[in-house]
Amino acid sequence: DGGITQSPKYLFRKEGQNVTLSCEQNLNHDAMYWYRQDPGQGLRLIYYSQIVNDFQKGDIAEGYSVSREKKESFPLTVTSAQKNPTAFYLCASSMRVNYGYTFGSGTRLTVV
Amino acid sequence: DQQVKQNSPSLSVQEGRISILNCDYTNSMFDYFLWYKKYPAEGPTFLISISSIKDKNEDGRFTVFLNKSAKHLSLHIVPSQPGDSAVYFCAASASGGSYIPTFGRGTSLIVHP
Repeated sequence: DGGITQSPKYLFRKEGQNVTLSCEQNLNHDAMYWYRQDPGQGLRLIYYSQIVNDFQKGDIAEGYSVSREKKESFPLTVTSAQKNPTAFYLCASSMRVNYGYTFGSGTRLTVV
Repeated sequence: DQQVKQNSPSLSVQEGRISILNCDYTNSMFDYFLWYKKYPAEGPTFLISISSIKDKNEDGRFTVFLNKSAKHLSLHIVPSQPGDSAVYFCAASASGGSYIPTFGRGTSLIVHP
């Protein structure tokens, strides 16, 4: 069954620690994306990658880093430089850019 | 500056009636529009899309209308069902740009039995 998996669903971290959110897809999609959702804010693009070993900053990339070493995987690291890291993070993939997205089920990160 | 606006944060509708969710955009380069549905603590799922060469697209109970001159699109759900209660996101992209969709802030639809 093809899909996109985000883990864990809930994540708690202490302030000042880096944390990495996992995103894996077995849809053979070329493009992958990370979004952040805050209440009343909609979905804001953090980073995206159209091919392996290449990625681009989105609208709110500061305090985040990504890697795309494999087509299937696009992990997001929330660094201690991110001022307001507590949010719901969504990963998505698409066959190519401007094709329909498939979203993962999200990771809720809480920094205390 | 919001390029995709969903001005109604919430909408309440009786079961069986029509739900109309609205979306406005400012970027005239946008030529492909999508609607996503999202339940709490889940990822959005694709609902319906429309290209700018059309003014209407229908899929079962869901119809999207596009008015290019007004830069406005709407999603109609007829008849509304309690299971339609969710947050609906409008998104728009430009084939002449980066292609990455820009999302609105969402409208929370509640369908009462």
